[in-house]
Amino acid sequence: DAGVIQSPRHEVTEMGQEVTLRCKPISGHDYLFWYRQTMMRGLELLIYFNNNVPIDDSGMPEDRFSAKMPNASFSTLKIQPSEPRDSAVYFCASSLAGTDEKLFFGSGTQLSVL
Amino acid sequence: AQSVTQLGSHVSVSEGALVLLRCNYSSSVPPYLFWYVQYPNQGLQLLLKYTSAATLVKGINGFEAEFKKSETSFHLTKPSAHMSDAAEYFCAVSEGFQKLVFGTGTRLLVSP
Repeated sequence: DAGVIQSPRHEVTEMGQEVTLRCKPISGHDYLFWYRQTMMRGLELLIYFNNNVPIDDSGMPEDRFSAKMPNASFSTLKIQPSEPRDSAVYFCASSLAGTDEKLFFGSGTQLSVL
Repeated sequence: AQSVTQLGSHVSVSEGALVLLRCNYSSSVPPYLFWYVQYPNQGLQLLLKYTSAATLVKGINGFEAEFKKSETSFHLTKPSAHMSDAAEYFCAVSEGFQKLVFGTGTRLLVSP
């Protein structure tokens, strides 16, 4: 398996623009997570899905952030409108129930909002 | 709610020296505990995990960690550091349901 695939690897955008980050989890995994990593706050869980259903979105910072998982092999994290403070590395991870919560991470999307 | 505290944002060791990265956890139920490693420009990879079996857990690359309930600790150690161990290390805790809470990370620097 190719692992968790995220795109794009780097995104540079201007304040106010819409940003969409994409993730393809490992085939067969039933959990998908979106994390954000910054120097100030470390690694924060934004939202996670189980069998395509959002389970906990309490980490989503505000209404500008939204996430969807239309099917088992694809998820998006959207920021609209983007702000400079959204600049961070966004990671997607997936896992399989019954495996003691071992997460497999993608390589991340480095987002810079100017 | 569960949480972890990693003492020291940076740890520097010489090649061949003992590596000790500290992690203390807070959890209302018996926790699952993890150490993940992040190399530059990569995602996190699992080093080892504790899931209520043996208290001394051995992981990849010669790392191990010991669960000490009395101290609420799960420190990561390696007897002899290698240059390739230079990375950022994250401790994490879970109370189940696939949801992990990560610490702020410790950057390990290894000098020749």
